[in-house]
Amino acid sequence: GNSVTQMEGPVTLSEEAFLTINCTYTATGYPSLFWYVQYPGEGLQLLLKATKADDKGSNKGFEATYRKETTSFHLEKGSVQVSDSAVYFCALLRQGATNKLIFGTGTLLAVQP
Amino acid sequence: DAGITQSPRHKVTETGTPVTLRCHQTENHRYMYWYRQDPGHGLRLIHYSYGVKDTDKGEVSDGYSVSRSKTEDFLLTLESATSSQTSVYFCATAQGGEQYFGPGTRLTVT
Repeated sequence: GNSVTQMEGPVTLSEEAFLTINCTYTATGYPSLFWYVQYPGEGLQLLLKATKADDKGSNKGFEATYRKETTSFHLEKGSVQVSDSAVYFCALLRQGATNKLIFGTGTLLAVQP
Repeated sequence: DAGITQSPRHKVTETGTPVTLRCHQTENHRYMYWYRQDPGHGLRLIHYSYGVKDTDKGEVSDGYSVSRSKTEDFLLTLESATSSQTSVYFCATAQGGEQYFGPGTRLTVT
């Protein structure tokens, strides 16, 4: 079946540190991949996406590359800020599905000043 | 911002009572979804709708029903609330392969 596996958190970093949150997936066909972010007390917001192999999604200094050979979509940022503290969800959208997303369990990022 | 509102935002109810959560959108999106969010589980799909009066079950639909009589409104009903349904509930809409989420409803069943 289709599934998404994320690294468990919490991830605690100092401001300006490099961030990597790992995400791997299992899916048939060619899914689209997403990263969503949830700030405290809010709903999820789309952070970035990639729709085919080797695509790189980017937004607000975050990047993730769709790697079909390793079935991965790791989230990276070169220099995190306190304001990046949030829960990050990796998700896939299977081809042909009625826009149904399958989410990972989420990774809490805490950035300390 | 896809203009999604949820009501109520917070609710405390007793075991065995019926509860209805409302999701309202202003973007005329065809697809709408109800998820629940629990620690260690991420978001899990309860029910979804692909048009007015067209709905289907998600992965955790037991104990829940939905209705969509208008494009803009998607209602989630807990027929007889149980403590295991204590959770944060999110509504979402979809357009062009992207989903947009509401602010959530925190439901506590005592």
